[in-house]
Amino acid sequence: DTGVSQNPRHKITKRGQNVTFRCDPISEHNRLYWYRQTLGQGPEFLTYFQNEAQLEKSRLLSDRFSAERPKGSFSTLEIQRTEQGDSAMYLCASSFRDRGGYTFGSGTRLTVV
Amino acid sequence: DQQVKQNSPSLSVQEGRISILNCDYTNSMFDYFLWYKKYPAEGPTFLISISSIKDKNEDGRFTVFLNKSAKHLSLHIVPSQPGDSAVYFCAASGPTDSWGKLQFGAGTQVVVTP
Repeated sequence: DTGVSQNPRHKITKRGQNVTFRCDPISEHNRLYWYRQTLGQGPEFLTYFQNEAQLEKSRLLSDRFSAERPKGSFSTLEIQRTEQGDSAMYLCASSFRDRGGYTFGSGTRLTVV
Repeated sequence: DQQVKQNSPSLSVQEGRISILNCDYTNSMFDYFLWYKKYPAEGPTFLISISSIKDKNEDGRFTVFLNKSAKHLSLHIVPSQPGDSAVYFCAASGPTDSWGKLQFGAGTQVVVTP
């Protein structure tokens, strides 16, 4: 068990470009979450998967954001036409049970210039 | 709308003394509360949780207290150790969030000095 793995660790991109992040959860975890954290704030919920089904998506998530979890294993988060306001740490977490206590990855830090 | 608030952005405490971190919430539907700890360049790590049916939960040096009437919880760390220096996040969920969505506070930076 190597924990939750996120790649890349850092991403610098120009405004308007598309970026994709990958998350590999703990293998036996069927629940996967994406959160975003900006400086001085706590993590903010983005979306949730149970197995391959995306069951919840934050209203804060614009149409430029899309997430997938094919076959219920790894997940990808894509941001299209990035904006400077997208600069943040994107955190992935996984769990096998209800009510939180889940395991976070180390995150992908996105900087949009 | 910030429903979980940590009003102290930082806390400095001497090694061996007690650290007390506070958290307030506004949503009376929240019924499950957690504390996470975060070191730089790492993701948050789950520390301890409490259900609203309890008012105290203890795990080693860490104790969480819940005051439902005041919508307030606190985390006590006794004794504080240098390795406890980190950012601590309070988080909460409600019965409709049983699948795991959490709302986090902004965090409190704890520095434990020798």
